[in-house]
Amino acid sequence: QAQLVQSGAEVKKPGASVKVSCKASGFTFTGYYVHWVRQAPGQGFEWLGWINVKSGATKVSQKFQGRVTMTGDTSITTAYMDVTSLTSDDTAIYYCARERVAGTYYYGMDLWGQGTTVTVSS
Amino acid sequence: DIQMTQSPSSLSASVGDRVTITCRASQSFNRHLNWYQQKSGKAPKLLIYAASTLQSGVPSRFSGGDSGTEFTLTISNLQPEDLATYYCQQSFTSPLTFGQGTKVEIK
Repeated sequence: QAQLVQSGAEVKKPGASVKVSCKASGFTFTGYYVHWVRQAPGQGFEWLGWINVKSGATKVSQKFQGRVTMTGDTSITTAYMDVTSLTSDDTAIYYCARERVAGTYYYGMDLWGQGTTVTVSS
Repeated sequence: DIQMTQSPSSLSASVGDRVTITCRASQSFNRHLNWYQQKSGKAPKLLIYAASTLQSGVPSRFSGGDSGTEFTLTISNLQPEDLATYYCQQSFTSPLTFGQGTKVEIK
């Protein structure tokens, strides 16, 4: 069955970087965009950006430009997100999610990873 | 950024009730609106996309509607397993934004 499996929890010190992976299986990886979304403890959702894994094109939220990088490796059907210069405000669960896009028609984030908890603490 | 305002922030209803959650956008866009359900400790689940299209496998008691900048999620015949927080999300423009959530409790 289709699934997205993310890397394990991370604990980082302020100023450090973190790289989260998202391994896809059971579907055609290159047929989707992969979004990255985070949820701070007890809070709602914040979108970081997406990657078109087929073309490699990315769209990063302006809030995170310069600090977040999204990449994909189609040979191993895995997407990655790098976040640099971490602060305590980056403590959150980070999710990857796929979305099928056809022209200007968007089908919603229909498959999510299990989430990766990133804790930033000195 | 497009602000998405959900109401109510929480509600309590009985099994079998009809429940409606509203999401208002700070600017108009055409049907680029999704609804998600998140149960405690779990990843979100897509319920509705493009404002009113039911995601495959989602029970038909869930439905979505829209009117200008106001979007609705209706749960008819509320079931115990519908205990969750519901979020709207606009996919019209970057940055994609979510509503703050509506927590649904069962009386």
